[in-house]
Amino acid sequence: DQQVKQNSPSLSVQEGRISILNCDYTNSMFDYFLWYKKYPAEGPTFLISISSIKDKNEDGRFTVFLNKSAKHLSLHIVPSQPGDSAVYFCAASGWSWGKLQFGAGTQVVVTP
Amino acid sequence: EAQVTQNPRYLITVTGKKLTVTCSQNMNHEYMSWYRQDPGLGLRQIYYSMNVEVTDKGDVPEGYKVSRKEKRNFPLILESPSPNQTSLYFCASSLAGGPSGANVLTFGAGSRLTVL
Repeated sequence: DQQVKQNSPSLSVQEGRISILNCDYTNSMFDYFLWYKKYPAEGPTFLISISSIKDKNEDGRFTVFLNKSAKHLSLHIVPSQPGDSAVYFCAASGWSWGKLQFGAGTQVVVTP
Repeated sequence: EAQVTQNPRYLITVTGKKLTVTCSQNMNHEYMSWYRQDPGLGLRQIYYSMNVEVTDKGDVPEGYKVSRKEKRNFPLILESPSPNQTSLYFCASSLAGGPSGANVLTFGAGSRLTVL
């Protein structure tokens, strides 16, 4: 049973516009949330994270929002660039030592 | 360069033929883990190790073995591979304490395994 869900397998956005990726979770014990980005033929790389005590974290063009009551987080990319075309994984930790739970991923395609 | 190195990157094998996927990291990380990526399922944890000689099961350990005899190496062993183990495998490592809080994972480039 997946505890972290990314219900949109793909997202297409025009260059310069905002990309919004969504993630829902079921386990209230999660206390840290992360986004990883993956290009083809490469391993995932860390993008941005947020602690459960915060509701927003910003790093350049990337902002993650956390709504604990709704068990929902989102990643905003503004403005989107062609190099942002990748698979984005939402992940959560804190409920079990040594474990990180990933969502199924969202494929983002940024078109010119 | 700090990195996690996996070998082989690509492998086609047959059912029942034992194979080992090696993983090595040069960052002196205490925590190491194996994941498999399958369409629609994302990354699922197979096994992890908090330190040398300490390993534990992840969410999908059936059909796999691991060992952690040295800090830098964490091989994944498929004693008798079956077609349902056809997947993309990733090894990852992080600082002591594993992937909690600000401890992020550093991933290898992946090993694509096909079992016929």
